[in-house]
Amino acid sequence: DVKVTQSSRYLVKRTGEKVFLECVQDMDHENMFWYRQDPGLGLRLIYFSYDVKMKEKGDIPEGYSVSREKKERFSLILESASTNQTSMYLCASSFDVNTEAFFGQGTRLTVV
Amino acid sequence: AQSVTQLGSHVSVSEGALVLLRCNYSSSVPPYLFWYVQYPNQGLQLLLKYTSAATLVKGINGFEAEFKKSETSFHLTKPSAHMSDAAEYFCAMNSGGYQKVTFGTGTKLQVIP
Repeated sequence: DVKVTQSSRYLVKRTGEKVFLECVQDMDHENMFWYRQDPGLGLRLIYFSYDVKMKEKGDIPEGYSVSREKKERFSLILESASTNQTSMYLCASSFDVNTEAFFGQGTRLTVV
Repeated sequence: AQSVTQLGSHVSVSEGALVLLRCNYSSSVPPYLFWYVQYPNQGLQLLLKYTSAATLVKGINGFEAEFKKSETSFHLTKPSAHMSDAAEYFCAMNSGGYQKVTFGTGTKLQVIP
């Protein structure tokens, strides 16, 4: 069974902390994505990566960075967490442009 | 710019009734279109996808969608709703390079017994 695994289901962090969200996929996919999901706004793309060490900004990259040192792992970094980054974060991977994305279970991050 | 619009953030149907969830898209090139479902506290999973092979696409759990280029629509239907269909549904599109998928804002489906 294919899998995208996010390291945490729930996280609570303080304002100003540096936060790491980890995502691992076991499908040898080239493409990986980070989205945030907020009520009424759907999924918004933060960053994506189409190869190791490659990254592209999505629609809302401000306040975030990413790292992809290995093909299977894609990390999202909040350099200095703020309360407006409280959200559900979803990681996904896909093989190609016309194939579906596989999603992790999500990380619900609360910044206090 | 590409966009996906889902009409109705909440839809309620009676058990056994027709389910119709609407999705319209805007794209300057032929798109790939997807419907995903999200159950509470879970990630998204694929229901079905359109990749230009056939305009009527059948997916899992009895859902299907029809691609209508003239109407720029990709509405999701199911003839008879089941209680287990209660979830949030997202329409998504890819019409650019580098896998930039655009999602709609989602429709929450409530099934009334």
